[in-house]
Amino acid sequence: DTEVTQTPKHLVMGMTNKKSLKCEQHMGHRAMYWYKQKAKKPPELMFVYSYEKLSINESVPSRFSPECPNSSLLNLHLHALQPEDSALYLCASSQDMDEQYFGPGTRLTVT
Amino acid sequence: GENVEQHPSTLSVQEGDSAVIKCTYSDSASNYFPWYKQELGKGPQLIIDIRSNVGEKKDQRIAVTLNKTAKHFSLHITETQPEDSAVYFCAAVSYTGGFKTIFGAGTRLFVKA
Repeated sequence: DTEVTQTPKHLVMGMTNKKSLKCEQHMGHRAMYWYKQKAKKPPELMFVYSYEKLSINESVPSRFSPECPNSSLLNLHLHALQPEDSALYLCASSQDMDEQYFGPGTRLTVT
Repeated sequence: GENVEQHPSTLSVQEGDSAVIKCTYSDSASNYFPWYKQELGKGPQLIIDIRSNVGEKKDQRIAVTLNKTAKHFSLHITETQPEDSAVYFCAAVSYTGGFKTIFGAGTRLFVKA
């Protein structure tokens, strides 16, 4: 199984809502990542978890809160987002910090 | 800051022709260079990668070359097919002083049947 799954596929939320994005992989990978991708732009790294511990936070605003409940799951908790946070949120995983497998993404719209 | 320049931004080729996409990086500590293909509505897919101790790598119709001295790396697709149409991103990864991955801006490839 070389698949990274993400739910939901689409999400529309208001600026006062709290929601969560979920990511799952069953490849036994030890590193998991969250990226943000705006239209016609490359992915931007947000967070990296290695062995279930947060190892990199690319100065992401605190309204984005990552969580790694176990080695297969990665969540991104969203609270008080702004319209400019609307984007495609991608999860990826890798065995070492190199060959990354990406999920299909969650398309988030903040109204 | 460190960056990766990718050219061209758009490339249109006839089916069966070759396509070449070039990237230049600035961080001399970069030592891993992946290429991703992203189709509409999907996440990026790793299609080939190369490490700094290798000059060239090939996988069927896809090849990547690396010139570390010049800090250039290129993606070559031969015998292009309509299903190769997508956005292609290069990236440069370094581990010195902490993990860092920098993507190029992307190349939109159109393969005309």
